Amino acid sequence: GQQLNQSPQSMFIQEGEDVSMNCTSSSIFNTWLWYKQDPGEGPVLLIALYKAGELTSNGRLTAQFGTTRKDSFLNISASIPSDVGIYFCAGQRRKTSYDKVIFGPGTSLSVIP
Amino acid sequence: GAVVSQHPSRVICKSGTSVKIECRSLDFQATTMFWYRQFPKQSLMLMATSNEGSKATYEQGVEKDKFLINHASLTLSTLTVTSAHPEDSSFYICSAGGGQLLYYTFGSGTRLTVV
Repeated sequence: GQQLNQSPQSMFIQEGEDVSMNCTSSSIFNTWLWYKQDPGEGPVLLIALYKAGELTSNGRLTAQFGTTRKDSFLNISASIPSDVGIYFCAGQRRKTSYDKVIFGPGTSLSVIP
Repeated sequence: GAVVSQHPSRVICKSGTSVKIECRSLDFQATTMFWYRQFPKQSLMLMATSNEGSKATYEQGVEKDKFLINHASLTLSTLTVTSAHPEDSSFYICSAGGGQLLYYTFGSGTRLTVV
């Protein structure tokens, strides 16, 4: 079945540093999504990508939809303590909210003040 | 816009009892709702997809008789964990989509503890 891999599994960084994490898939997705989850909460959408090669920013976050449609990366610049959490990539086969979303295993980010 | 409310946020029940979790879309019509479960330090695993007015589609390995899903209206879906056992203890999260939305929104989750 469809499977997503995320790396790294966890990261410990100093406040102010930039962060980069990526996501790869064995099959093509037509939508890539990046979510952040805080403990005890549901995931919150950070960035949605709909076209191969697309580069999208949301404040200090930047994500790209890989040209092969089998990968995506998320960068966070100048990290701050509230960036702590689990970051999930997710993919959809179709560009519609009717299609199920497959989640990666997550990257745990810790920011040291 | 696109707010999804999930209730209760936490529930503790005795083994053998049933628990109902509600998922409501507050400001849009959710033709499709999804139910996930998440074990500690793991990712979200899709349990089932429910479309308003029709039977839910369950993922492989998810017992439909144990996890009853009802999506009777465009704003409400419920998940009932029947005859709950300690191994059913988990974080259950719903999400909803539909209409012009390109992506769907998640509820805040329900922490179920079966004792």
